[in-house]
Amino acid sequence: AQKITQTQPGMFVQEKEAVTLDCTYDTSDPSYGLFWYKQPSSGEMIFLIYQGSYDQQNATEGRYSLNFQKARKSANLVISASQLGDSAMYFCAMRPTSGTYKYIFGTGTRLKVLA
Amino acid sequence: DVKVTQSSRYLVKRTGEKVFLECVQDMDHENMFWYRQDPGLGLRLIYFSYDVKMKEKGDIPEGYSVSREKKERFSLILESASTNQTSMYLCASSLLGGASPSPLHFGNGTRLTVT
Repeated sequence: AQKITQTQPGMFVQEKEAVTLDCTYDTSDPSYGLFWYKQPSSGEMIFLIYQGSYDQQNATEGRYSLNFQKARKSANLVISASQLGDSAMYFCAMRPTSGTYKYIFGTGTRLKVLA
Repeated sequence: DVKVTQSSRYLVKRTGEKVFLECVQDMDHENMFWYRQDPGLGLRLIYFSYDVKMKEKGDIPEGYSVSREKKERFSLILESASTNQTSMYLCASSLLGGASPSPLHFGNGTRLTVT
């Protein structure tokens, strides 16, 4: 069965510091994509970053990077230089490349950035 | 930028009413999705559509139906609203995808309360 696990329900980080949000996944598909989304208190889900299972390098988008360890089936999100506006829920998601249109989501991690 | 628009931000309905949630996307995406989001449960897929008039059940389709008469519009219908359908409803769209899964693009969400 395909599954995404986010073990940290809540985290705190000091402003300007880096933080890692954990995500592990389970799939038997050889090809898949991994995504991270941010959901501020306003409710909209914002796409942050994507990692393909065959990508050789870890994905980066500005202050966001994805620490992808395929053998361990983990895809942790690293936010560098945290800002107050980073306070939000963060969701990890996965979708196999073929066979289904379904995206599997984790239950999320609530991040609070402290001034 | 992709824009996914949900017709209502907040909605209050009575038990037994028929409820329509509308979603429109402007980027010619083939796939459209309806999720509901509840605290501690993450996002759960209700229905998705990969083409006009085509639909597939997600994980929790009971009590819901959908309609996709035009490519840009995907409607979620609660045939007879019940209090356990009080939730945040999120619409999303994505490209069909090729070698890599495409990210979901979400609307702002509709917070539905059934009294």
